[in-house]
Amino acid sequence: DQQVKQNSPSLSVQEGRISILNCDYTNSMFDYFLWYKKYPAEGPTFLISISSIKDKNEDGRFTVFLNKSAKHLSLHIVPSQPGDSAVYFCAAKASGTYKYIFGTGTRLKVLA
Amino acid sequence: EAGVTQSPTHLIKTRGQQATLRCSPISGHTSVYWYQQALGLGLQFLLWYDEGEERNRGNFPPRFSGRQFPNYSSELNVNALELEDSALYLCASSRRLGGSGQPQHFGDGTRLSIL
Repeated sequence: DQQVKQNSPSLSVQEGRISILNCDYTNSMFDYFLWYKKYPAEGPTFLISISSIKDKNEDGRFTVFLNKSAKHLSLHIVPSQPGDSAVYFCAAKASGTYKYIFGTGTRLKVLA
Repeated sequence: EAGVTQSPTHLIKTRGQQATLRCSPISGHTSVYWYQQALGLGLQFLLWYDEGEERNRGNFPPRFSGRQFPNYSSELNVNALELEDSALYLCASSRRLGGSGQPQHFGDGTRLSIL
C-alpha cells in the first residue's frame, strides 16, 4: 500500500516558467512533510518542509502548499532553472513516529 | 559542517556473500536511517537506529541487519546476498525528534552490485 504517491513520473518545463510537482497521501495521521531533490550519483538533498499546522511554506524560489482536506501537497519552483533538473521526492511522517514514507519521485527536466 | 558520509562508494559482491556498508552521521545527529533504492523504484525504508538501538525496521528479511555505535555511526549488514539486493543504499541522519519534524540529511549512498 503506497501511502505517499507521486503520480507523475516525469515533468518537462521551460526555463523561467513555474514547475509544479504534486504529491498525494492517504494517511490522515501524517503531520510533517518534506521535499527532496536528487541528482544522479548523489544522495537526496533536503529542500523544504511543511508542518500540518500550516498550508504554505516558502523558501526562495521554492514554495510548498499543503491541502489537508485533499491530502495533497505540491512544490512550486519559480522561476525554474536548468540546474533544477533532478528527481524530486516528497516524504511524510505520521504524528508520534519518526519514520518517513517516501514517494517514488518525479523527474523534472527544465529546458533551456 | 561535514555531511553524512558513506563508505564504500561502490561494492561488488557475488550471490551468497555478505556485505557491510558504513555510515557516519552529521555531528550532533543521533538518529541514523537506512534506505534501499532499487532501479526505478523510490526509497524503501530499511532500518532506523537511535541512541544505539534499533527503533524500527521496514519490510525486509532478517538478513538485513545493522547496528549503531556509541559515536552514532552505523553499519548495515546484508547476509546471503541475492541478485535483487543490487541497489543504491542510502543512509540519512537527523537530530532526535522532539515533538516536531526534523528533516533527514542523506549521504551519497553505496552502490551495491551483486554478480
